[in-house]
Amino acid sequence: EAAVTQSPRNKVTVTGGNVTLSCRQTNSHNYMYWYRQDTGHGLRLIHYSYGAGNLQIGDVPDGYKATRTTQEDFFLLLELASPSQTSLYFCASSDAEQFFGPGTRLTVL
Amino acid sequence: QQKVQQSPESLSVPEGGMASFNCTSSDRNFQYFWWYRQHSGEGPKALMSIFSDGDKKEGRFTAHLNKASLHVSLHIRDSQPSDSALYFCAASEDGGYKVVFGSGTRLLVSP
Repeated sequence: EAAVTQSPRNKVTVTGGNVTLSCRQTNSHNYMYWYRQDTGHGLRLIHYSYGAGNLQIGDVPDGYKATRTTQEDFFLLLELASPSQTSLYFCASSDAEQFFGPGTRLTVL
Repeated sequence: QQKVQQSPESLSVPEGGMASFNCTSSDRNFQYFWWYRQHSGEGPKALMSIFSDGDKKEGRFTAHLNKASLHVSLHIRDSQPSDSALYFCAASEDGGYKVVFGSGTRLLVSP
């Protein structure tokens, strides 16, 4: 079965802090995604990529950067974290159907 | 306004009952639809896709799509406590490479 892993699983930082969330997929999928999940909003797309070195802007990109270093690895960067970025973050890879990782819970104090 | 709207927000059914979920899109460009399910503490997992008008049945799950009204539904017959989860509708213009999710419906199946 398709596999997507995320690290860390939980992260606490302070306002203004620097955070990097990591995602790796072993599915050989071209597309990878970062979403945030908040009650009442469902899953909202932050950034996505269709291959190493490529980056596409999603629907809620403000305050986030992302980088796709290889086919397998996709990173989400919060350079000046704010409390509004406290959320549950999911990475996914896709060959049309999306395969999600287990999520990272980020708290910004 | 969200492009993909789901109803109800939550649903409670007895074990063995029928659970029904609704999803309406406000974007006529969406042609591809999925249902995803998320159990507590896990990432969402795809349940089924539907791309053509009409019904699609997979075991206890039946999806229905009406592209003219931009409406898709999911029905679970003989609901089990293990079906208790958050259910998302998702829509795409391009076959799944950029997908928009609804806000979800929480299902509770009581024994």
